[in-house]
This record gives sequence, C-alpha cells and structure tokens, in this order.
Amino acid sequence: AQKITQTQPGMFVQEKEAVTLDCTYDTSDPSYGLFWYKQPSSGEMIFLIYQGSYDQQNATEGRYSLNFQKARKSANLVISASQLGDSAMYFCAMREPSYSSASKIIFGSGTRLSIRP
Amino acid sequence: EPEVTQTPSHQVTQMGQEVILRCVPISNHLYFYWYRQILGQKVEFLVSFYNNEISEKSEIFDDQFSVERPDGSNFTLKIRSTKLEDSAMYFCASSEGGGPYEQYFGPGTRLTVT
Repeated sequence: AQKITQTQPGMFVQEKEAVTLDCTYDTSDPSYGLFWYKQPSSGEMIFLIYQGSYDQQNATEGRYSLNFQKARKSANLVISASQLGDSAMYFCAMREPSYSSASKIIFGSGTRLSIRP
Repeated sequence: EPEVTQTPSHQVTQMGQEVILRCVPISNHLYFYWYRQILGQKVEFLVSFYNNEISEKSEIFDDQFSVERPDGSNFTLKIRSTKLEDSAMYFCASSEGGGPYEQYFGPGTRLTVT
C-alpha cells in the first residue's frame, strides 16, 4: 500500500506568490514523523521541515510551514513569498517508529516546482 | 554546521565490478542509512545500521550489497558485482536517534554502471 502520496507531479508559480504542495499519508501507528525535503537540480537532498504526530502546533521554518491536518492525514508544505531559488523537486516523507531499530523514511514521488520570474 | 559527507561524488564503473561508496556521518549521530534514487524516480530505502549491525534492510538490499562501519567515522556501502540497474544516486543519511528524529542526508554519490 502506498504510504505517501503526492498528487502534483509539477507546479508552476509566479515569483513572490505563496505555493502549497500537497501530501497525504497513510499509517496505522499513532506515532510518526513527517518531513519535507528539497532536491535541487544538483541532486542533494535538503531537509526543510519536520512535524511530529503529537506536535500540537504546525511546524514552521522561515518561509516554510507545514499544514498538518491529522484527521485528514495530510501534511501540505506551504512556501510563502516564493523565490527563483525555490525551483526544485520537493519530496514529502514519513518516518514510522521502530522501537527496536533505526526506522526508515518512506518518500513520496515528489512534486517539481518551477518558479516563474 | 555539521554535515554528512560522501565520496566520490560520481563513480563510473563497468558491469560486474565491485564499488565501495563512502560516507562520513555527523559525528554524534548513532543511526546510519543508505537510500538510492534511480534517475527520475522516488528515493528508496536500502538499509539502516545501528550499534554495528544492520537494523533493517529492504528487498532491494540483496546479497550483492553490504555495509560496514570500518572505523569510528566512516560508513560504507559495497556493491559486489554491479549491474546496469544499479545505476542511481546513492544517499547516505544519519540521525541522532532511531525514532522521530530528522535524518540528514549527504550530497549523494552518482553511480553509473556501463
């Protein structure tokens, strides 16, 4: 069963506009973590933001915020005031706990964001 | 700011050859991971490592793959006999804990098997 779903393969946004990248997830465990990573054309994976399933408030990191709706199992990334440098692939990911070992991250298929000047 | 490093950045090898991909995790991290990303596809988990042993491995991580922490700083992925389909970006990651901690990724090694 697919655990992380990103339904937007590609998005175009005008510079300085806000953009929301969608992510839904599936898990039966009450304890989990949600992540967003950015992958520019150079290929590296850049950690952006993290939300724990028990966190009461939505995570924010600078221009990035995570719109966490637990009941809907969604974890959308919001980028405010987009910049040309935001053009990249964005991956939503989830980490389920593994109490006896190191738990892996499961990635979605990604959304390619392109910012228009 | 501490970061995960990987060498080489790009490796070209012939089918059937052995390759070793190297990673230096963040120094106070205890959990280590390898992921791979075939061009244009999603990132896939390969293996996790803790306390000098494999914690979990995916179905991709078959007998041709092995991992090792040969000293206190390096973490390596060995592919014994490379196949064309092993061509991918290989990412090393590390985290402070095994639970809901961020995993920090290295810049990746692009492996090309010809």
